[in-house]
Amino acid sequence: QITLKESGPTLVKPTQTLTLTCSFSGFSLRSNGVGVGWIRQPPGKALEWLALIYWSDDKEYSPSLKSRLAITKDSSTNQVVLTMANLDPVDTATYYCAHRRQRSYWFDPWGPGILVTVSS
Amino acid sequence: QSALTQPASVSGSPGQSITISCTGTSRDIGVYNYVSWYQQHPGKAPKLIIYDVSNRPSGVSSRFSGSKSAYTASLTISGLQTEDEADYYCASYTTSNTYVFGGGTKVTAL
Repeated sequence: QITLKESGPTLVKPTQTLTLTCSFSGFSLRSNGVGVGWIRQPPGKALEWLALIYWSDDKEYSPSLKSRLAITKDSSTNQVVLTMANLDPVDTATYYCAHRRQRSYWFDPWGPGILVTVSS
Repeated sequence: QSALTQPASVSGSPGQSITISCTGTSRDIGVYNYVSWYQQHPGKAPKLIIYDVSNRPSGVSSRFSGSKSAYTASLTISGLQTEDEADYYCASYTTSNTYVFGGGTKVTAL
């Protein structure tokens, strides 16, 4: 059974850098084709794809946020870390990590999400 | 990249069929059969219900079906039930090797 869980600060000040960790089990990021993605959802708004890291360490980022994002993985501890720089109140959202199966183009399952509030 | 276009809301009576549209461009839906749909109940994480346009994961009700024509994908819920009341999001892989989601559709069973 695949499970993922997000962790990190729930309150961050504007201009600070956010670091979120996705801890997962039930699959390996050493397996060919596997990936872990991050998606966020501001309160009452739509989902927004942020980033994806593959087993190969290839990375993809949302074009609109690319300059502020970094995604890394630690396959030995089954964790993926997303950092977002220069936070603004509009970055307040629930952040989800999700599993991408081998050679697939969808996300399943997702973690429960973590609500991050950006406020001074 | 712009979000895929979905209607804000769709409603129907229990037992009826409803269809949610998802319109993209030549950079996403128009070139790939990599459309997925997610169901999200309030306060919960999204759940995959359709992948690769029309495939259902194991355990997902057969009342959910997907299709695609040109730049528009569609999700149909047959025999609408009150438990189907939720937000639904489409997503597509893009020619930039990224993903884009739709704006979401709130489904109400009247």
